[in-house]
Amino acid sequence: AQTVTQSQPEMSVQEAETVTLSCTYDTSENNYYLFWYKQPPSRQMILVIRQEAYKQQNATENRFSVNFQKAAKSFSLKISDSQLGDTAMYFCALGNYGGSQGNLIFGKGTKLSVKP
Amino acid sequence: ETGVTQTPRHLVMGMTNKKSLKCEQHLGHNAMYWYKQSAKKPLELMFVYSLEERVENNSVPSRFSPECPNSSHLFLHLHTLQPEDSALYLCASSQDWLAGDNEQFFGPGTRLTVL
Repeated sequence: AQTVTQSQPEMSVQEAETVTLSCTYDTSENNYYLFWYKQPPSRQMILVIRQEAYKQQNATENRFSVNFQKAAKSFSLKISDSQLGDTAMYFCALGNYGGSQGNLIFGKGTKLSVKP
Repeated sequence: ETGVTQTPRHLVMGMTNKKSLKCEQHLGHNAMYWYKQSAKKPLELMFVYSLEERVENNSVPSRFSPECPNSSHLFLHLHTLQPEDSALYLCASSQDWLAGDNEQFFGPGTRLTVL
């Protein structure tokens, strides 16, 4: 079975500082994608960043970057220069491709609070 | 409207009521999803439709009944619900169910309370 584990239910960070959210996963597939989604309070869930498993280079999107350790099955999200608008639930997700189904497996989420 | 929309945004219903949740996507996607989001739990995938055919049904109680009349619309019909069904119900869509990156675009959700 495929699983995604986020071991930090809640985290907080001071504005302008850096924070790292952890995610580990388990899959027997070779071809997969990993995602971080953000769900701000009372707002829609949106994609923050994605990583193709076959790429060794870590994905980066502005202040958001990942540390993808394939052998360790770890996929952490680093947020630099944290802003108040980064306050949200963050979900790590695993998706396969090329197989018989295309569903995403989500973790339980990490609630991030950015404090002024 | 753009993206994925859901109506109503909030719904309170009794256990004997029948109601429906509506989802509409304006992205030209071929796959649509229903999720249940409860506090401190992972998102629970309920149903998946690909090209208007149901391709996934994750042991969801029969009191939840999905309907996909076309590729842009998805409904979740509710009847005889239980208080533990109270949750945020999210609709999502993606270009194709089996596509490589399968990025899903989410609606704002319907906050359901069952009394």
